[in-house]
Amino acid sequence: GENVEQHPSTLSVQEGDSAVIKCTYSDSASNYFPWYKQELGKRPQLIIDIRSNVGEKKDQRIAVTLNKTAKHFSLHITETQPEDSAVYFCAATPGGTSYGKLTFGQGTILTVHP
Amino acid sequence: GAVVSQHPSRVICKSGTSVKIECRSLDFQATTMFWYRQFPKQSLMLMATSNEGSKATYEQGVEKDKFLINHASLTLSTLTVTSAHPEDSSFYICSATDSAPIGYTFGSGTRLTVV
Repeated sequence: GENVEQHPSTLSVQEGDSAVIKCTYSDSASNYFPWYKQELGKRPQLIIDIRSNVGEKKDQRIAVTLNKTAKHFSLHITETQPEDSAVYFCAATPGGTSYGKLTFGQGTILTVHP
Repeated sequence: GAVVSQHPSRVICKSGTSVKIECRSLDFQATTMFWYRQFPKQSLMLMATSNEGSKATYEQGVEKDKFLINHASLTLSTLTVTSAHPEDSSFYICSATDSAPIGYTFGSGTRLTVV
């Protein structure tokens, strides 16, 4: 099955700095890659996603890049703010009979210091 | 937007009893629902996938007789934790999706504590 590796596990930045979180996946058939932000005790919230036919996508301060050849994708947050502090998860969906099943990375605890 | 309602949000039960968690899609038909378990400071681990009207598909290592999943309609899936033990204490969260385009809507989660 699909295996998603996420790094780093913790990330601490100063307000205004950029933050980058990286994920790799194993199944070359995976075609959808969402990123979620989860606050303590809450549901994951989709912040951005990318599909395999696109190399980059941006939404204001958040961007995601995808390298299908290398099977990795990254989340970029610019001009970080304290309210960006949370746990971030990447995920991937494999194709074939497992179409639709999300496999999550291990998560990154992002702390933005004022 | 798509909304998934999950109840209860918190439940405390005695060891050996059963607990039922409901997941409802409020404004769309969920062809597939997923059940995840999340231990503190860990990632979401998929337990099972359910499709309306058919048996759930369980992930390796998940006991199907302990975690009963019923997806009787396109808007409701239930997870029953049978004979709960303290090690079953966790955050359980459902996710629903329709067929196209791919979109996953998560429920608000259920904090289960078995005492």
